[in-house]
Amino acid sequence: EAGVTQSPTHLIKTRGQQATLRCSPISGHTSVYWYQQALGLGLQFLLWYDEGEERNRGNFPPRFSGRQFPNYSSELNVNALELEDSALYLCASSLEEGAGQPQHFGDGTRLSIL
Amino acid sequence: AQRVTQPEKLLSVFKGAPVELKCNYSYSGSPELFWYVQYSRQRLQLLLRHISRESIKGFTADLNKGETSFHLKKPFAQEEDSAMYYCAIPLYSGAGSYQLTFGKGTKLSVIP
Repeated sequence: EAGVTQSPTHLIKTRGQQATLRCSPISGHTSVYWYQQALGLGLQFLLWYDEGEERNRGNFPPRFSGRQFPNYSSELNVNALELEDSALYLCASSLEEGAGQPQHFGDGTRLSIL
Repeated sequence: AQRVTQPEKLLSVFKGAPVELKCNYSYSGSPELFWYVQYSRQRLQLLLRHISRESIKGFTADLNKGETSFHLKKPFAQEEDSAMYYCAIPLYSGAGSYQLTFGKGTKLSVIP
C-alpha cells in the first residue's frame, strides 16, 4: 500500500509569510494528525482531523490551522511565520480515530524560515 | 501533570550486549502504549504496541503499572538497531479527548 505522502519536501519562507503544507493519508485512513518536530523538542502534537472535522489541537497559537478535505487529505497552514516555526512537520494517519490507534507517518516537510 | 519521559537522550551499547530503553509515564488509567522507531533516513514507524504483546525485531516491552514504566528491551543488540526510539502514550488533553504524546526520544547507538 502507498504510505502517507507529504508535499513539499522542503519549504523556504521569510518571516511574516504564510506556508501551506499538504498530506495524503494511506488509502482508507480517515484520521490525519500533524506534528511539529523542532530541534531538541521532540514531536509536538499540532492538530487532529477526522472525517473532515478538527477533533483536537495542541498548544499552538491560532495562526497554525488546517483542514481536511472530503478525500481525507489535509492541509496545514501557518500564517505570519516566525523564525521559531522552522522545524520538520510530520503528518500521520490512522485507520480509525482515537489516540489508541497506531499512526503511520510521512517523511515530513522541512520548513525553514529565513 | 500527565507526561511521558524518556530519561536518556543517548544510549550506546556494544553489539551483542543487552539493550534497555527506558520509558516512564505519569497516568492514572490503563494506557495503550507504543514504541516508535526512526532509522537513519527513514520515516518514523511503529515498532510495537503494548496491547499486541508481540516481539518485533527481537524487541519486547513490558508494562509495569506499579512503576509506571514501559521499557523496551532486546537481549542482544545488533548494529541495525541503531536508531532513534520514541515512547508514546495517549494522554488526556481536555474536553474528553486523548492525544498521543511522544517522549523526547532516545538515540540508540550500537557499537560494532
